[in-house]
Amino acid sequence: EPEVTQTPSHQVTQMGQEVILRCVPISNHLYFYWYRQILGQKVEFLVSFYNNEISEKSEIFDDQFSVERPDGSNFTLKIRSTKLEDSAMYFCAEADLGDRYEQYFGPGTRLTVT
Amino acid sequence: GIQVEQSPPDLILQEGANSTLRCNFSDSVNNLQWFHQNPWGQLINLFYIPSGTKQNGRLSATTVATERYSLLYISSSQTTDSGVYFCAVGRNTGGFKTIFGAGTRLFVKA
Repeated sequence: EPEVTQTPSHQVTQMGQEVILRCVPISNHLYFYWYRQILGQKVEFLVSFYNNEISEKSEIFDDQFSVERPDGSNFTLKIRSTKLEDSAMYFCAEADLGDRYEQYFGPGTRLTVT
Repeated sequence: GIQVEQSPPDLILQEGANSTLRCNFSDSVNNLQWFHQNPWGQLINLFYIPSGTKQNGRLSATTVATERYSLLYISSSQTTDSGVYFCAVGRNTGGFKTIFGAGTRLFVKA
């Protein structure tokens, strides 16, 4: 199975700071997704991204969040001004051009906001 | 939006036992995947199964799309099977989003 990588594996930040989480894509993948999982809860969809545009987003994905693929390689999730309730595991997922529906998940970034 | 319900919410098994996990969903879907979340929090892709039956070792899954449910079978369970099993479904509505169920928490006793 293809491997999706995410950096960092763990990030600790202070409330109000900006954080950028990164996902390193597999070469032929064009569809990207971000999810979050608050400790002990289910995985929640944040946003899907295709062809340098957001194609779908959830009500969680407010103005504090943004996504981009700045250099055509890494896919990033930015949280502009972190809040305590942003503490969660953030997963990146990708799907390839041939089958956009099967998603491959990265190992996640654990974000702790203090 | 699509609702996803998983049952049972919790399951305790003796090593060697078999089990069936169920996922019900409320609308037609383009995608259905089963994941195992291990104790380190990683989501391991078990099956991509929007319809039909697949098997991989001791695990198998069946999705009956017309009746909107999927089943995950675990045979001869091992302690390493412990963790949370998630069903996730997706639908193409122009955009694409995936909805996860709340999961089944499995503990296999030695």
